[in-house]
Amino acid sequence: EIVMTQSPATLSVSPGERATLSCRASQSVSSNLAWYQQKPGQAPRLLIYGASTRATGIPARFSGSGSGTEFTLTISSLQSEDFAVYYCQQYNNWPPSITFGQGTRLEIK
Amino acid sequence: QVQLVQSGAEVKKPGASVKVSCKASGYTFTSYGISWVRQAPGQGLEWMGWISAYNGNTNYAQKLQGRVTMTTDTSTSTAYMELRSLRSDDTAVYYCARDSGGPVIFDYWGQGTLVTVSS
Repeated sequence: EIVMTQSPATLSVSPGERATLSCRASQSVSSNLAWYQQKPGQAPRLLIYGASTRATGIPARFSGSGSGTEFTLTISSLQSEDFAVYYCQQYNNWPPSITFGQGTRLEIK
Repeated sequence: QVQLVQSGAEVKKPGASVKVSCKASGYTFTSYGISWVRQAPGQGLEWMGWISAYNGNTNYAQKLQGRVTMTTDTSTSTAYMELRSLRSDDTAVYYCARDSGGPVIFDYWGQGTLVTVSS
């Protein structure tokens, strides 16, 4: 199974600043990586797929980069609604399976 | 608009089974696969498996093989997930999620169903 490791576990950033979240795969997943945002009590929301393609309706301040085993989600200027938990997900191993990272909590500094 | 509406919360005893439904609307049901993802309290996301709404083909997470069954009813555009031999560590919010244009990239999610396993 491909293990996805996200860092840091918690990131404290001030509104208006840039946030950089990392996701590392235990083996190459090419560009088959997605990012999701989850707020308390809500279902996850798709942000990025194909490592760098924004999903429909996602603001341009969200960007994804990387390939192989190292990936980054960058939020260029944090808004209050961006404070949430972020998960990466690999789908290179599909079929038969996919895996999620353990999440990074982005909190207000 | 695309909607996935799940059945309500359940409380089950250890060893019992639970069946959660996910009713889809706003799109052609048979054109997209459905995955089930669960989230234990305060924990991350765990993919449980996928079903093709077109032909019923399934792929299950290895750790749940033998305990989980996913089905669809195309006449009502509803997907189902049944989990058997429930244990306390199956307590979680269970989500259904629709494939986007590519498989297992999830663009729409249900609201979640809390399943509590307790004696």
